[in-house]
Amino acid sequence: GAVVSQHPSRVICKSGTSVKIECRSLDFQATTMFWYRQFPKQSLMLMATSNEGSKATYEQGVEKDKFLINHASLTLSTLTVTSAHPEDSSFYICSARAFGTSSPDQETQYFGPGTRLLVL
Amino acid sequence: DQQVKQNSPSLSVQEGRISILNCDYTNSMFDYFLWYKKYPAEGPTFLISISSIKDKNEDGRFTVFLNKSAKHLSLHIVPSQPGDSAVYFCAATDSGYQLIWGAGTKLIIKP
Repeated sequence: GAVVSQHPSRVICKSGTSVKIECRSLDFQATTMFWYRQFPKQSLMLMATSNEGSKATYEQGVEKDKFLINHASLTLSTLTVTSAHPEDSSFYICSARAFGTSSPDQETQYFGPGTRLLVL
Repeated sequence: DQQVKQNSPSLSVQEGRISILNCDYTNSMFDYFLWYKKYPAEGPTFLISISSIKDKNEDGRFTVFLNKSAKHLSLHIVPSQPGDSAVYFCAATDSGYQLIWGAGTKLIIKP
């Protein structure tokens, strides 16, 4: 099946610093990538949707200036948490939707392994 | 307003028996449904999906049933194995790009 990687898998940083998380589709091209956040014992919360070559679409309540998303190529999207604070500590997961595959595969999202962020 | 609901937060099943996870939805525009499995501190793994033009899809031990009139789908796992212990998420889409997620059901397989 399709593989999506995330880097780093875990990061600890000081309050006020910025952290960049990479999401790569390894064996397919992804026109659309999604960034999710999971709070303990809760479902995944969609933060934003990014399409290659265009600006990301953020969900209501998600600060676009704080969570910068760049989808520079069909295989790479990055999420930068700027001026991180302890309340940003969470598990961030990306997913990618394949380009050019026939339905129903085009509806399927493939998830990365997630990145645990701890802000001290 | 929750468009996708998984009303059982947890389910405990004996190893070897059938596990049935349920999911209800309210949006009649949804036409594609997916089940994901998630272990702690990992990303969700795609399990199985079903299009609204079907009422059943089977893949090995996993079968998904869709009842459009009742706006209900279920995931059957048979026989249940210890490695199936995880949180299972139901998700739906209306041929757009966004998945609408249920809250998840924690499945515990007892030896």
